[in-house]
Amino acid sequence: DSGVTQTPKHLITATGQRVTLRCSPRSGDLSVYWYQQSLDQGLQFLIQYYNGEERAKGNILERFSAQQFPDLHSELNLSSLELGDSALYFCASSQDGANEQFFGPGTRLTVL
Amino acid sequence: AQSVTQLDSHVSVSEGTPVLLRCNYSSSYSPSLFWYVQHPNKGLQLLLKYTSAATLVKGINGFEAEFKKSETSFHLTKPSAHMSDAAEYFCVVRAYGGGGGNKLTFGTGTQLKVEL
Repeated sequence: DSGVTQTPKHLITATGQRVTLRCSPRSGDLSVYWYQQSLDQGLQFLIQYYNGEERAKGNILERFSAQQFPDLHSELNLSSLELGDSALYFCASSQDGANEQFFGPGTRLTVL
Repeated sequence: AQSVTQLDSHVSVSEGTPVLLRCNYSSSYSPSLFWYVQHPNKGLQLLLKYTSAATLVKGINGFEAEFKKSETSFHLTKPSAHMSDAAEYFCVVRAYGGGGGNKLTFGTGTQLKVEL
């Protein structure tokens, strides 16, 4: 158990809908990262937050957004969902921006 | 830009025999490299990391990796495979961005199968 928690574990929704994925980092970690794992794209970095501020951006679609709250938990919002958004979404956390990242168990999103 | 290439998408070994998972990296400066493991329906677990200290890095569960700058390689090895090692393994390079950004770039993964 890495200490990073993600909810929900599974999410099934329809095209065009909007969902929110939640992540709680390990105690004391200030940085939160979001990754997407899909069969065709592999594991891709989406976005990083550090102590509430966006620090790095990867291949994140404009339909997706994230934020980190004062209690350091983070949410990833996915809107106007398409079939291709079906994937495993991982959250990771690290103590700061330089240390190793610890991954949560992931949220499996299925868009029908 | 940093990248990693995992040379084998699938590796099959017999229990008790050595494991070799190959990874080459590309980086414009001294990289930070990692190996992560993903068991079926589980999250990613850090096996080991290289951050410019010793070139031979020991990790958990008997795995180790050697950083070879001349060959731009970071292969993962284990002397004796166990059934519980069956999983997908990812070679990862860390890129530092401006403003303190820190993202991981993953290889495509190597599926390790361990047979009796």
